[in-house]
Amino acid sequence: GAVVSQHPSRVICKSGTSVKIECRSLDFQATTMFWYRQFPKQSLMLMATSNEGSKATYEQGVEKDKFLINHASLTLSTLTVTSAHPEDSSFYICSAGRVGGSKTQYFGPGTRLLVL
Amino acid sequence: AQSVTQPDIHITVSEGASLELRCNYSYGATPYLFWYVQSPGQGLQLLLKYFSGDTLVQGIKGFEAEFKRSQSSFNLRKPSVHWSDAAEYFCAVVYNAGGTSYGKLTFGQGTILTVHP
Repeated sequence: GAVVSQHPSRVICKSGTSVKIECRSLDFQATTMFWYRQFPKQSLMLMATSNEGSKATYEQGVEKDKFLINHASLTLSTLTVTSAHPEDSSFYICSAGRVGGSKTQYFGPGTRLLVL
Repeated sequence: AQSVTQPDIHITVSEGASLELRCNYSYGATPYLFWYVQSPGQGLQLLLKYFSGDTLVQGIKGFEAEFKRSQSSFNLRKPSVHWSDAAEYFCAVVYNAGGTSYGKLTFGQGTILTVHP
């Protein structure tokens, strides 16, 4: 149990376009989902926390207008990178916490974004 | 501010040897402690976690970790390493996650494990 999927696993786009990444909890309901960014050979940096039905909470330094997060249901959160630029190229990972769960986050497999 | 330190960036061991990966966290009340493993290009898999109770916790794949409050440590161990254990390992902490809140995971820098045959 506690499987989280992400789609797409890899995406290449042109500079200036927008890219949407989906994060789904497949076998549980997730009140809270998290979005992380990981640069090569570095640890994960939390970008934002999203709770179902409410606005996401962004970490300091993360542009909310650039990284749009929607958590419309208990099994789906989306991250949209708007007007992507090469510096947005990174590995994006989501995680989800169960409804009434034990403070444990379950991670998706990640999405590799390359902006040309 | 809360922090997690993994002092070893890269560790190399021979297959069959024992392993200990170090993790220290900054002091905080009621830390929730986790170890995750990440294979190249993949997400993170939970190995084990400590919330309370017995300070020696067992996880998947034969891993265990011991919480030592006096040393602010949560070191990961395995008695005999397999080649498939080669990956990057992250220690993480959540503080102040009261009630049903998930709190924020703070990750260490990660330790890359290489296993020689």
